[in-house]
Amino acid sequence: QVRLVQSGAEVQKPGTSVKVSCEASGYIFSSYGMHWVRQAPGQSLEWLGWINAGSGHTKMSPKFYDRVTITRDSAATTVYMEVTGLTYEDTAVYFCARGPGPYLPDFWGQGTLVTVSS
Amino acid sequence: DIQMTQSPSSLSASVGDRVTITCQASEDISKYVSWYQQKAGKAPNLLISDASNLEEGVPSRFSGGGSGTHFTLTITSLQPEDFATYYCQQHDGLPLTFGGGTKLE
Repeated sequence: QVRLVQSGAEVQKPGTSVKVSCEASGYIFSSYGMHWVRQAPGQSLEWLGWINAGSGHTKMSPKFYDRVTITRDSAATTVYMEVTGLTYEDTAVYFCARGPGPYLPDFWGQGTLVTVSS
Repeated sequence: DIQMTQSPSSLSASVGDRVTITCQASEDISKYVSWYQQKAGKAPNLLISDASNLEEGVPSRFSGGGSGTHFTLTITSLQPEDFATYYCQQHDGLPLTFGGGTKLE
């Protein structure tokens, strides 16, 4: 069965960076991509970007293209999402979600809480 | 960016009721809307894609409709496990955008 297992909760100071991982199993890793979506406390969902796990090509939201980097390690079937220049507004649960293309997240990881606090 | 306006933001209902949630897109997005269910503390779960395509394993009491700018999610005969928050999402263009959510309580 499809599984997406994300790394554990993080607490980071403003101005620093955080890197979240998402290990995939149960499907052909290179045949799908991976989205990253975040959800601030009590808020809706916000799309950050998508990576083609086969080619490594990314599509990013213009809002985040200069602060968010998505990469993958095909041998480890793991996708990474790094956010730099953290502010308090980046406090959120970050989800990875499998997507056959850049348009439809169809299966989601359990989420990783990132808290930005001084 | 394409804006998705979802209504109502909250909805009070009872087991056995029929409920409808609507989503309005800021421009014509053809059929490219998905609906997700999210329970407290959990990840979203894809229910419907392409406006009306029910995902495998999703009960038939869920249905979606609409095209262009106006879309609906209908749940007939509400079950206890259906009380959750529902989100629409457009997948016509990037960046992907979501509605504000409807909390069914």
